[in-house]
Formats: sequence, structure tokens, C-alpha cells
Amino acid sequence: DTEVTQTPKHLVMGMTNKKSLKCEQHMGHRAMYWYKQKAKKPPELMFVYSYEKLSINESVPSRFSPECPNSSLLNLHLHALQPEDSALYLCASSQVNRGREQFFGPGTRLTVL
Amino acid sequence: GENVEQHPSTLSVQEGDSAVIKCTYSDSASNYFPWYKQELGKGPQLIIDIRSNVGEKKDQRIAVTLNKTAKHFSLHITETQPEDSAVYFCAASRRGNQFYFGTGTSLTVIP
Repeated sequence: DTEVTQTPKHLVMGMTNKKSLKCEQHMGHRAMYWYKQKAKKPPELMFVYSYEKLSINESVPSRFSPECPNSSLLNLHLHALQPEDSALYLCASSQVNRGREQFFGPGTRLTVL
Repeated sequence: GENVEQHPSTLSVQEGDSAVIKCTYSDSASNYFPWYKQELGKGPQLIIDIRSNVGEKKDQRIAVTLNKTAKHFSLHITETQPEDSAVYFCAASRRGNQFYFGTGTSLTVIP
């Protein structure tokens, strides 16, 4: 199984809502990532988990809260988002060693009203 | 930090022609260079990658070349087909698992 799955595919939320994005992989990868991608732009790294511990936080606002409950799951909790947070949110996974392919999920298209 | 530049930003070719996309990087410590293809509404998919100890790698119609001295690497697609139309991103990795992406190239193959 070389697939990264993400749910939901689409999400519309108001600025006062709380929602969560979910990501799952069963490739035995111990590094997992959240990226944000705006239209016609490359993915921007938000967070990296390595062995279920947060290893990189690219100065992401606290309204985004990541969680890695186990080696297969990655969540992104959303609260009090702004319209400019509307984007495609991508999850990826890889082996931990340097220079390894990252496998991307299909993404969650988020719209903040 | 690492800076990856990618050119051109858009590229149109006739079906059957070749397409070349170029990237430059700034950090000589970068040692892994993947290329991703992203179709509309989908996540990026790896199409080919190269490590710094190799100068060229080929997989059917796709090839990547790396010039470490000049710090640039290129994607070559031969005999292009309409299904090659997508956005292509190069990336460089220099520490841990962090990728630095280029700005993307939108490739259109005209039937």
C-alpha cells in the first residue's frame, strides 16, 4: 500500500468553527508532513513529525494545531481561521532518513468564509 | 537557507516534441533532487529523482540531469503526450526531511 489518504476532500468552515483534517498512511513511514498550497504556487511546509514528535514548525499561527496520535495518523486541528487560510492542505509521509521520497495525499480543499 | 529557482513558469509544446524544465539551487549541501507532477485537483506525484552522486537518471521518456558544480538540474520529457500536461515542481533537500520547492512549471502539450 503506497497511498496517503486524507479526509475530508473538501471543507467549508466559518471563522468561528473548529474542524480537523485527517491523514493516514500504512507504509511504515515515521516522518509525516503538513503542507499548505495556494493556487499556482508550490507547497509550503507547515509542520514535520518525526517518530511521532514535532520536529519542524515553520512559524505557523497557533490557529493551526497539529497532532500525531500514532505512526500512521496525522491530524491538523483548525480553529478561528481567516479567509486567507483558504487553500489546499496536503499531507505527506516518508522514511525518516535524509533524502527520501515524500508521498503526498490528494489534499483537503479548505474554504474559510 | 536553500533557494530553488525554476524556469520556465509556463511551457507549451506540440505533442511528440521534447520539454525541458530547469532548476537551480543555492546550497551545495543539498544532495537529493526530486521532481513532482501535479495534475489539477490532485496531490503531487514523484516522477523521478536524483541524488548528488549521480549525474543523470532516465526512466522511459523522462530523464533528469544534475550539474553539481553549476548547482543546477533539469527535467527532460521526450515524445510528449497530452497526459503529460500538468504542473511540475522541482525540489532540493539539504537537511533532515525538509524539501525546498521550485516555483513550478505549467506544461501544456498541444495535440
